Amino acid sequence: ETGVTQSPTHLIKTRGQQVTLRCSSQSGHNTVSWYQQALGQGPQFIFQYYREEENGRGNFPPRFSGLQFPNYSSELNVNALELDDSALYLCASSYGGDISTDTQYFGPGTRLTVL
Amino acid sequence: QKEVEQDPGPLSVPEGAIVSLNCTYSNSAFQYFMWYRQYSRKGPELLMYTYSSGNKEDGRFTAQVDKSSKYISLFIRDSQPSDSATYLCAMRGTPGSARQLTFGSGTQLTVLP
Repeated sequence: ETGVTQSPTHLIKTRGQQVTLRCSSQSGHNTVSWYQQALGQGPQFIFQYYREEENGRGNFPPRFSGLQFPNYSSELNVNALELDDSALYLCASSYGGDISTDTQYFGPGTRLTVL
Repeated sequence: QKEVEQDPGPLSVPEGAIVSLNCTYSNSAFQYFMWYRQYSRKGPELLMYTYSSGNKEDGRFTAQVDKSSKYISLFIRDSQPSDSATYLCAMRGTPGSARQLTFGSGTQLTVLP
C-alpha cells in the first residue's frame, strides 16, 4: 500500500508569483484535504475535495484554489504569493465513507518559502 | 480565543517517565478526537483516534476524552528518546459537517536518555 506523497519537497518563490503543489493520495482513498502549517503552529484547514468536488473550505482567500483529478490526486494553487504564505503545506487523504472510521493520513509536506 | 488550546511546552522528561499531554476545546460539536505525532520537518503521523468520551489504550499510549470538561489527554508510559517529537491534538465535528480537522498548536516533547 502506497502512502500519501507530495511534490515538490521544497520550493522558493518571490512575492507575487504563483505556485502549484501536488499530492497523490493513499491507495483506496477518495478524499484529499489541504492544510497550511506555519512554523510553531498546528495545521490550519484550507479546503477538502471529495470525488473531484470541493467539500468544505477554511478561512483562506480565493487566491488559494485546488483541483482533484479522477485518480483522486490533487493540486493546490496559490496566486499572488505573500510573505505570510511561507509555511509547510500538508496534504491528507482519507476514505470519505463512514465518518466513524474516517481518518486522515498526512503526506510529508511541501515547504514553501516566499521571499 | 482559539477553538482548541494546547500546552505549547516545550516539555523535557527523562527516559522512562510518564508523559501527560493535554488539550482543551470550546466547540461542543466536536465528537472525534485524534493525537498526531510530528517529527521535525515531517508530516503528522496518526497515533490515536477516539470517539466521544472514554479511554483508549494502544501499547504505551493511552488517550482520554472527557467531553463534559471539554478536555482530552494523551499519556505516554515508559517514554523513550524516540518519542521526542511535537504532539498535536486534533478534533472533528459531527457527520454532515465538512470533515476538516481542527488542531491544537502542538506540544514539543524531548525525552532525555
